[in-house]
Amino acid sequence: EADIYQTPRYLVIGTGKKITLECSQTMGHDKMYWYQQDPGMELHLIHYSYGVNSTEKGDLSSESTVSRIRTEHFPLTLESARPSHTSQYLCASHHLAGEDEQFFGPGTRLTVL
Amino acid sequence: DAKTTQPTSMDCAEGRAANLPCNHSTISGNEYVYWYRQIHSQGPQYIIHGLKNNETNEMASLIITEDRKSSTLILPHATLRDTAVYYCIVRVDPGNTPLVFGKGTRLSVIA
Repeated sequence: EADIYQTPRYLVIGTGKKITLECSQTMGHDKMYWYQQDPGMELHLIHYSYGVNSTEKGDLSSESTVSRIRTEHFPLTLESARPSHTSQYLCASHHLAGEDEQFFGPGTRLTVL
Repeated sequence: DAKTTQPTSMDCAEGRAANLPCNHSTISGNEYVYWYRQIHSQGPQYIIHGLKNNETNEMASLIITEDRKSSTLILPHATLRDTAVYYCIVRVDPGNTPLVFGKGTRLSVIA
């Protein structure tokens, strides 16, 4: 089982709130990713990081931001949540040196009312 | 990265082999074929990958055609717990590019 954690698992909040979704891994992986997935739809890469102080935007434009101050931690922040942000957010990681398997966390299911 | 084409859905009887096809006709010589699956909106799970040789592990077998334009993932004895969406992904340089997911194949294993 992968040592990658996401909190909270479920979150229901009102419009306009600032939220941070947490993702941590204890495997010492350099690369971390955030994907967004609507129910029954495909995963879309929204952010990734190749190491501390490195962040890049993914294929899907997102109003969220990320930071990578520590190797093990890759939080995602929405400054002002809207109903259109309602989705599942999945965090993943793998080792920089070409490890084949990308490990995924259990996901955070966000509902913005 | 090259794109892949997979059937939208498939059914398989429990205990039978599930054969999931994937077309990747524009694959480049240095692109690997990866398979992941996602069970009921959990995080995707790695299954297997290969470059040109057939591969087998405890979960599945991967058969890649000689011209590498298509592949088949085989679950030898499907169980109800194998019901999931299966993603075929081609990817250059496994260590340095993010996984890009398509729509995948929804496999339903039926008792």
